[in-house]
Amino acid sequence: DTGVSQDPRHKITKRGQNVTFRCDPISEHNRLYWYRQTLGQGPEFLTYFQNEAQLEKSRLLSDRFSAERPKGSFSTLEIQRTEQGDSAMYLCASSRLAGAYNEQFFGPGTRLTVL
Amino acid sequence: AQSVTQPDIHITVSEGASLELRCNYSYGATPYLFWYVQSPGQGLQLLLKYFSGDTLVQGIKGFEAEFKRSQSSFNLRKPSVHWSDAAEYFCAVGALQGAQKLVFGQGTRLTINP
Repeated sequence: DTGVSQDPRHKITKRGQNVTFRCDPISEHNRLYWYRQTLGQGPEFLTYFQNEAQLEKSRLLSDRFSAERPKGSFSTLEIQRTEQGDSAMYLCASSRLAGAYNEQFFGPGTRLTVL
Repeated sequence: AQSVTQPDIHITVSEGASLELRCNYSYGATPYLFWYVQSPGQGLQLLLKYFSGDTLVQGIKGFEAEFKRSQSSFNLRKPSVHWSDAAEYFCAVGALQGAQKLVFGQGTRLTINP
């Protein structure tokens, strides 16, 4: 068990470009979450998947954002037409649905800088 | 709606001194409360959690936290800090139902003086 991994760790892009991040959860974890953390703030929930189904999206997730988890394993988060306000750390977490409350394990994050 | 307030943005303590980080939450039902630590360039690591039962919970790295329902607080404590404890600390509240998403406070940055 190698934990939650995210790729890339850092991404620098120019405004208007599209970017895609990948998250590999802990194997057999059926829930996967995306959070966004801006400088000086705590993480904010963006969306989550249970297996391959995207069950909830935050209003923070504008139309330019899309997330997928096609086979219920890894997930991708795409941002189209990036804006400077998208600069943040994007965190992925996973958990196993196995009880009343299921601990979320976080990856190291992808830091996005939009120039 | 759930919310978490961490009143202290930055705290500095001397190595070996005691530590208390404050956390206040707002939640309509029984809260599920967490403390996470984040070191530079690292993800979030769970220090401890409270679901029910004993209101004093023990965590990793010598940390403990006390749940006080009357004060809507879940303060984190450590009797003697080490230089390696310098990091950002986040309090979070989660719901039992639905997504069980976490709502985080804005964090407290801890600096340790030698």
